[in-house]
Amino acid sequence: RKEVEQDPGPFNVPEGATVAFNCTYSNSASQSFFWYRQDCRKEPKLLMSVYSSGNEDGRFTAQLNRASQYISLLIRDSKLSDSATYLCVVPLSSGGSYIPTFGRGTSLIVHP
Amino acid sequence: DADVTQTPRNRITKTGKRIMLECSQTKGHDRMYWYRQDPGLGLRLIYYSFDVKDINKGEISDGYSVSRQAQAKFSLSLESAIPNQTALYFCATSDRGLAGGPDTQYFGPGTRLTVL
Repeated sequence: RKEVEQDPGPFNVPEGATVAFNCTYSNSASQSFFWYRQDCRKEPKLLMSVYSSGNEDGRFTAQLNRASQYISLLIRDSKLSDSATYLCVVPLSSGGSYIPTFGRGTSLIVHP
Repeated sequence: DADVTQTPRNRITKTGKRIMLECSQTKGHDRMYWYRQDPGLGLRLIYYSFDVKDINKGEISDGYSVSRQAQAKFSLSLESAIPNQTALYFCATSDRGLAGGPDTQYFGPGTRLTVL
């Protein structure tokens, strides 16, 4: 099993829809998690960080489920501009340090 | 000015050539990273450095080497480029975060490398 897994999609949704992505991980010692957004051929940029139980920022909600070892990203009232790839990042333990490890990303397409 | 810069932005080279990709940052972060991105494979870590005297191999370090010349500079070298090193390369920086893990990473704009 890959250490950080995401459904690649694409998730194809109409404007206004609510969509959710999950990211599962194999190392339960992680304490901080991240969601990044990446537009085509551009660099990833932080969307949200997730510590303890979760985080909410406007239309975006990120949650952490330690027991089941996954983090989720919920997008409400989808906009055309939300179309992008969403990457989860889990710091995994390696040689006494935590190394940021990316999932392969989930593609979201929001259509009119 | 951008906080994390990469040069060159695009490079086409031939098999066997030595290539250096450079990364500079003005964020004052100690931690720097090199990733490569291939379609469908996400970002994979090549090397990382937690300070000037610290160099660590990542998931896919074979065929690559790095140099941390200063806090602000981290270079990636391909000693003898091969076609399967054709990819998009990103440099990133971060502070130290909770419990020693990474804080938010800030990425450069990427270098698109093609090896013929």
